[in-house]
Amino acid sequence: DAKTTQPTSMDCAEGRAANLPCNHSTISGNEYVYWYRQIHSQGPQYIIHGLKNNETNEMASLIITEDRKSSTLILPHATLRDTAVYYCIVSGDSWGKLQFGAGTQVVVTP
Amino acid sequence: DTEVTQTPKHLVMGMTNKKSLKCEQHMGHRAMYWYKQKAKKPPELMFVYSYEKLSINESVPSRFSPECPNSSLLNLHLHALQPEDSALYLCASSPGGRDYGYTFGSGTRLTVV
Repeated sequence: DAKTTQPTSMDCAEGRAANLPCNHSTISGNEYVYWYRQIHSQGPQYIIHGLKNNETNEMASLIITEDRKSSTLILPHATLRDTAVYYCIVSGDSWGKLQFGAGTQVVVTP
Repeated sequence: DTEVTQTPKHLVMGMTNKKSLKCEQHMGHRAMYWYKQKAKKPPELMFVYSYEKLSINESVPSRFSPECPNSSLLNLHLHALQPEDSALYLCASSPGGRDYGYTFGSGTRLTVV
């Protein structure tokens, strides 16, 4: 599976959009990009995933560049409850085997 | 039911004890996973079950023994653990395949004394 690079930490103001970048320059054609988050002491929570096209759901939007070498997770209106570690994962495993990297610690402040 | 349920939530065990962690899902998911997470570290994959058969063992020591009695249930049997095995143990499930996300349980916090 391709390796991902994320910033160690980010701060975001409550009510503003949070844009979380992820680099995955070695991604191959059959690998998906997945985003999860983990609020302190809880299990990880699935957010969104995509292959080539941009995706949106009730939680977030995922923007994948045309060359697929990077992506951005967008939380449109950050709240204090969005404070968490956000993991960007790339995987093409047929059983969706996911290997977590270090992630980005996002702190939303009032 | 859209949850993965893990029991117990907390467990303290001695190094000579035998205990089991339990994970249950009723979403019809065909893949189930065990992860281990140490403090301030990301989750590390331990085992993958697909269609109730062990498909991946990430070189986990034999003192951890997984079992999948049926499509809804996943156990992790623990024996002769060491204090460094203290961690949060997470279970997850998915329909299988790349085009789905995982559903994680809230974990069992294990302390080995």
